[in-house]
Formats: sequence, C-alpha cells, structure tokens
Amino acid sequence: QKEVEQDPGPLSVPEGAIVSLNCTYSNSAFQYFMWYRQYSRKGPELLMYTYSSGNKEDGRFTAQVDKSSKYISLFIRDSQPSDSATYLCAMSDNDYKLSFGAGTTVTVRA
Amino acid sequence: NAGVTQTPKFQVLKTGQSMTLQCAQDMNHNSMYWYRQDPGMGLRLIYYSASEGTTDKGEVPNGYNVSRLNKREFSLRLESAAPSQTSVYFCASDGVGEQYFGPGTRLTVT
Repeated sequence: QKEVEQDPGPLSVPEGAIVSLNCTYSNSAFQYFMWYRQYSRKGPELLMYTYSSGNKEDGRFTAQVDKSSKYISLFIRDSQPSDSATYLCAMSDNDYKLSFGAGTTVTVRA
Repeated sequence: NAGVTQTPKFQVLKTGQSMTLQCAQDMNHNSMYWYRQDPGMGLRLIYYSASEGTTDKGEVPNGYNVSRLNKREFSLRLESAAPSQTSVYFCASDGVGEQYFGPGTRLTVT
C-alpha cells in the first residue's frame, strides 16, 4: 500500500464548477501538507502549503486537512479553463522529504 | 530570478551509455532533491542533499549517483543507462519546507 493515495481521475468539469480533489495517507508522522499544480510538460509549482488541521484559503483555492482521518482536500471555486492541469498532493514529516500522490488530471471545459 | 534550472531539456541515450543531468538554484537554499516522474507513479525521490557536502538515498536510488558540487549545484549521473530509467527527471530545492521545482529533463533510453 502506498503512503499517499490520490484518485488519478481524470476529472472533467464545466467552467465555473467547484473542483474537489482528495488524498488519503497512512503515515501519522506527516505534519506538512502541500498541493502542487503541474501543467503539461512543466515542473510542479507549489499552490498551497499548510501544517495544521483545518482550512486555508487563498483566492479561489481552499486546502483542507483532517489529521484525525488522515485526509486532505483541495477545492477550486469558480474553476477556469486555465485551471486545467494535474494536481499533486504532497506531504512530509520533519525531515522535509516529500511523499507525493500520483496526481489527478483536471480539465475545465469552457 | 531564474529559480531552479535544469539541463538538458531532452536526451536520448542508448542502453549502457552514461550521462549527467545538471541542476542549479539561485535561491540560496540548503536542500536539493532529484525526483523521477513516471505515469501513474507520481514523483519518486531518487537522492537528496540536505546541505552542501551531504547526500542521501531516497526511495529509488539504484542506478544513479549524485554530486552536490556547491550550494547552488546538484547533479545526477546515470553510469550505465537502462530502458527502465526512461522518465522525466525533476530537480527541486527547498526553502523551509516549500520545494521549488525545475522544468524537468525528458530522458529516453533505447
């Protein structure tokens, strides 16, 4: 069993819809949680970073962490075609070595 | 501000050939990482360097060697390339838990 499980999708939504992405993990030592966005043929770019349970909002993006359930989510409100990308969850304990999910490919249809 | 740069962008090798992938960062980060990305597998850590002069194995180190040349540069060497090493390779550097990625090197081994 992988340390981090992420639904690979793909996910296709109409413009303006809410996109919901999820990851589960098994290592209770994970303390830092991230979401990366990766456009086709590009490197991952950091989208959200959090280290506590609860919600963190940044514009149209909300990251949610539930450490008791070992579950993290990313919500994208009012999705745009420019949000079409692969989204990777990542997490680490104190040594900052990241464990990644396999990524979910999202397409937002205009 | 270039961030993390990688060379080359593309490479085709024959089985048994060797090559070195170069990575440099200009953010004065202590930690640097090499990952490979394969379809459905997410990003897997090959080697990392927590600081200048130190290197450690990650999840999939077999067939690779690394050199942390100085604080800016971290290279990855394939001594005898195998078809199983066909992948996209990403270098990253770490700014207090937030990893920043380069654009990647697409390597094909025939």
